[in-house]
Amino acid sequence: SQQGEEDPQALSIQEGENATMNCSYKTSINNLQWYRQNSGRGLVHLILIRSNEREKHSGRLRVTLDTSKKSSSLLITASRAADTASYFCATDYTGTASKLTFGTGTRLQVTL
Amino acid sequence: EAGVAQSPRYKIIEKRQSVAFWCNPISGHATLYWYQQILGQGPKLLIQFQNNGVVDDSQLPKDRFSAERLKGVDSTLKIQPAKLEDSAVYLCASSYDPGRPPLHFGNGTRLTVT
Repeated sequence: SQQGEEDPQALSIQEGENATMNCSYKTSINNLQWYRQNSGRGLVHLILIRSNEREKHSGRLRVTLDTSKKSSSLLITASRAADTASYFCATDYTGTASKLTFGTGTRLQVTL
Repeated sequence: EAGVAQSPRYKIIEKRQSVAFWCNPISGHATLYWYQQILGQGPKLLIQFQNNGVVDDSQLPKDRFSAERLKGVDSTLKIQPAKLEDSAVYLCASSYDPGRPPLHFGNGTRLTVT
């Protein structure tokens, strides 16, 4: 079964607004990663946060991790039309040979 | 750096036929993954190779799916015979090794089984 569950399933915002998507998981992890997938393409790695980190930034991206609640959030600030894509969290949970398990994804639509 | 190459890009077959997908990972990447992504869902790991060896194939339907990675480089994934529920995008990904993310993905092969 899918390890991570994303919320919301779909999000529609206007250009310039911020987009927040959440990910919940079930077991202890080594790290959590976020990937983006444009329509008809493969996934592209965005950012990785390790289990001992609480917050990480990369450009317009901000990721938080709360291991006590087994949840993470991805914030995209000042969104652009080019950010339109599906976003997936992926968990590398402890006790495995670094096997990534992907969530169900959030479909983000950014309109002009 | 060249990315992960996959072919074909699209494939349409009838149920009970066989099909094969090919993947060439990024040069130097020891770990290769095959994922199945059904429309509207996240990718599901089918099989993970470390060089020539299989690390994890626990979710591979072995009665119909097979995969190999000869010489620790290219890989092929085969389905025989195909079922309607195999309609999905098959994604190949690679990484330096399991402990060194991220994964680099190809653009996938979209399989339609009619």
